[in-house]
Amino acid sequence: DAKTTQPNSMESNEEEPVHLPCNHSTISGTDYIHWYRQLPSQGPEYVIHGLTSNVNNRMASLAIAEDRKSSTLILHRATLRDAAVYYCIRVYILTGGGNKLTFGTGTQLKVEL
Amino acid sequence: NAGVTQTPKFQVLKTGQSMTLQCAQDMNHEYMSWYRQDPGMGLRLIHYSVGAGITDQGEVPNGYNVSRSTTEDFPLRLLSAAPSQTSVYFCASSKRDRLNTGELFFGEGSRLTVL
Repeated sequence: DAKTTQPNSMESNEEEPVHLPCNHSTISGTDYIHWYRQLPSQGPEYVIHGLTSNVNNRMASLAIAEDRKSSTLILHRATLRDAAVYYCIRVYILTGGGNKLTFGTGTQLKVEL
Repeated sequence: NAGVTQTPKFQVLKTGQSMTLQCAQDMNHEYMSWYRQDPGMGLRLIHYSVGAGITDQGEVPNGYNVSRSTTEDFPLRLLSAAPSQTSVYFCASSKRDRLNTGELFFGEGSRLTVL
């Protein structure tokens, strides 16, 4: 199965770090791991992606296990605006180019004051 | 830049009617795709295109047609609407990247109800 496995929901307090786990035990060697988030009534928004090494950007950090069977999205200081559904996605190349993202059901992150 | 623009945002159809969901992007992206999102489920790929004149089926293509006559536009056609096609539809685009690192840009969605 190409889908990833994530907890249905997680809670965090504002200003605290958040670690969102993802299991992708059947990932192949060329699949990238992407994270998107979706706010209510909006389209998904790109957060970060990686292949083997840990990655950082202005929004978050991505830690990928050495065997690549799991990864963790790290929000360093959660804010109320980070409350969203976070999707961990395997991305692989389609025949002829382009990407296919296989979405799971994601993790609903709740952030409290 | 407007990014990815979808119209209409809301639509109600009767069973058997046809309609077209419009999607346009102004980022000169080669790759465009359509997803549907149903309650409690992630997004599922309907159709995609890697460039003008090239389209292919995704995970759930039945009941939908697409065409790509220009780089900017990628309309999704429902030929004979069914209640099972009640969903929120998202269009997305990205640069075609052989390293598979293309960030997808999504539109705001089109909510379709079929009665």
